[in-house]
Amino acid sequence: GNSVTQMEGPVTLSEEAFLTINCTYTATGYPSLFWYVQYPGEGLQLLLKATKADDKGSNKGFEATYRKETTSFHLEKGSVQVSDSAVYFCALSVGGNTDKLIFGTGTRLQVFP
Amino acid sequence: DAGITQSPRHKVTETGTPVTLRCHQTENHRYMYWYRQDPGHGLRLIHYSYGVKDTDKGEVSDGYSVSRSKTEDFLLTLESATSSQTSVYFCAISDFGQYYEQYFGPGTRLTVT
Repeated sequence: GNSVTQMEGPVTLSEEAFLTINCTYTATGYPSLFWYVQYPGEGLQLLLKATKADDKGSNKGFEATYRKETTSFHLEKGSVQVSDSAVYFCALSVGGNTDKLIFGTGTRLQVFP
Repeated sequence: DAGITQSPRHKVTETGTPVTLRCHQTENHRYMYWYRQDPGHGLRLIHYSYGVKDTDKGEVSDGYSVSRSKTEDFLLTLESATSSQTSVYFCAISDFGQYYEQYFGPGTRLTVT
């Protein structure tokens, strides 16, 4: 079946450190891939997306590349800030007649000054 | 921000009582979804709707029912709440299909005692 696997957290970093959060997927067909972010006490917000192999999604200094050969969509940022502290969810969409998303379990990022 | 509200935002109820959660949107989006968020599980789809009076089950639909009589409202009902339904519930909307993002509401924290 279709699934998303994320690295377990929490990921703890100092401000200005480099961030990688790993995400791999299993899917039939050609899924779209997403990263969502959830700040404390809020709902999820789309951070970035990629709809086909080799696409790179980017937003707010974050980026992720859709790697079909390794079935991965790792999230990276070159220099994290305290304000990036949140839970990050990798997700895929399998399309069809509806727009259903399948989420990973989430990775909590904590950034300290 | 997408116009999505959820009510109530917090609720404590007793086992065996019926509970209805409401999601209201002002975006006129076609698709609406109910998810639950639990530690270690990420977000899991309960039910979704692809139009007025058109609904279908997600992966964790047992014990839940939904109704959509108007484009803007999507109701989630727990007919007889159980402690295993203690969770944070999120509503989401989307419009054009798998390559477009879902917009999430702020969530409802439900505690069943």
